[in-house]
Amino acid sequence: GESVGLHLPTLSVQEGDNSIINCAYSNSASDYFIWYKQESGKGPQFIIDIRSNMDKRQGQRVTVLLNKTVKHLSLQIAATQPGDSAVYFCAENNYGQNFVFGPGTRLSVLP
Amino acid sequence: DTGVSQDPRHKITKRGQNVTFRCDPISEHNRLYWYRQTLGQGPEFLTYFQNEAQLEKSRLLSDRFSAERPKGSFSTLEIQRTEQGDSAMYLCASSSYPGLAGQETQYFGPGTRLLVL
Repeated sequence: GESVGLHLPTLSVQEGDNSIINCAYSNSASDYFIWYKQESGKGPQFIIDIRSNMDKRQGQRVTVLLNKTVKHLSLQIAATQPGDSAVYFCAENNYGQNFVFGPGTRLSVLP
Repeated sequence: DTGVSQDPRHKITKRGQNVTFRCDPISEHNRLYWYRQTLGQGPEFLTYFQNEAQLEKSRLLSDRFSAERPKGSFSTLEIQRTEQGDSAMYLCASSSYPGLAGQETQYFGPGTRLLVL
């Protein structure tokens, strides 16, 4: 299969550990944020979203934290599994505007 | 499978040729987006439709690129006189736009990988 993001920042974690992936967004007016997971040869897959009126949202094994003061978003994955290995993108949106994607982080889960 | 589908998955063409890609969105979704993604980058917005109306085009979208969504369902993206710099993954996404009262989530297709020789 093809590779996505050959020169991306890489985060390597041991299987079973927690992962934290960070994203700095650019537009202080952005009011909606999404984390996507992209596996090699596939399109981005929705993981979790958060609105700007929240600072934390939890899903199954994932938590997104939003710090609007410093325009920072993070994705926490609990008990990281081999299937979590992928490239992760954050995307920001301002009502009526387009989604803008960050550069991505490659997560590599070590056995 | 009722997700977003794209065809073809891979396309190899010679410089100067025209290519056309198709996207079939999730059936009840009113918005359809096209993105381009190169290695090491996140998806870059190209254009989007709400129903059959093309509401916005990126400055990245040169006049060699044209997109249509004639019946508000599937969409096509055509690239005329392809150049080597057009080599990329072309992603389609769809969403159900709830209006200003809500948020929209985009669901992506698998992409079409274009290689221009």
